[in-house]
Amino acid sequence: GQNIDQPTEMTATEGAIVQINCTYQTSGFNGLFWYQQHAGEAPTFLSYNVLDGLEEKGRFSSFLSRSKGYSYLLLKELQMKDSASYLCAVLSGNTGKLIFGQGTTLQVKP
Amino acid sequence: DTGVSQDPRHKITKRGQNVTFRCDPISEHNRLYWYRQTLGQGPEFLTYFQNEAQLEKSRLLSDRFSAERPKGSFSTLEIQRTEQGDSAMYLCASSSSSDIASYEQYFGPGTRLTVT
Repeated sequence: GQNIDQPTEMTATEGAIVQINCTYQTSGFNGLFWYQQHAGEAPTFLSYNVLDGLEEKGRFSSFLSRSKGYSYLLLKELQMKDSASYLCAVLSGNTGKLIFGQGTTLQVKP
Repeated sequence: DTGVSQDPRHKITKRGQNVTFRCDPISEHNRLYWYRQTLGQGPEFLTYFQNEAQLEKSRLLSDRFSAERPKGSFSTLEIQRTEQGDSAMYLCASSSSSDIASYEQYFGPGTRLTVT
């Protein structure tokens, strides 16, 4: 079966750090993506992890532990524009099909 | 290239009518995906094309749904005899199998369907 879990909502303060967790159980695994989606807009790519460890890209970092079926997205120096939904997605099989979690809605407050 | 485009952006239809959506992928991308997203949920995979071949279909895709990619470029998704449960955002994404980072999918803006 396919199961991807992430918190539904999170709230953080401008300038702070927030960590969004994602756990997964999937029948195939070829990597894990994080996407950002603002309301009414298309998802946009943030990160891709296929090996264990931390990938850092500016204010955003993503971590993967394949043995634990666990990933997190770390957002530093939060800005108001970071208020959005963050989608965790597992790359399943050879077709490139993405299996998404339900998304975590992050609200950044002043 | 300006990215993945979808048309129309919004569609309101009455139950029982047929609708067709179009997706134009990034020109050099040979892989094309359709997803459906309802409010408060992540996108759900519907179907996948590599060039003009439809290689995978989700069980979510009932026989009322059909997708084509006739020349390996643009794709259409048709829903026949629409039902209220079909109301959702329909997202198209494309990627290339020839790049090192070939798994990154680029999403279009989506077509929001409302069935009344």
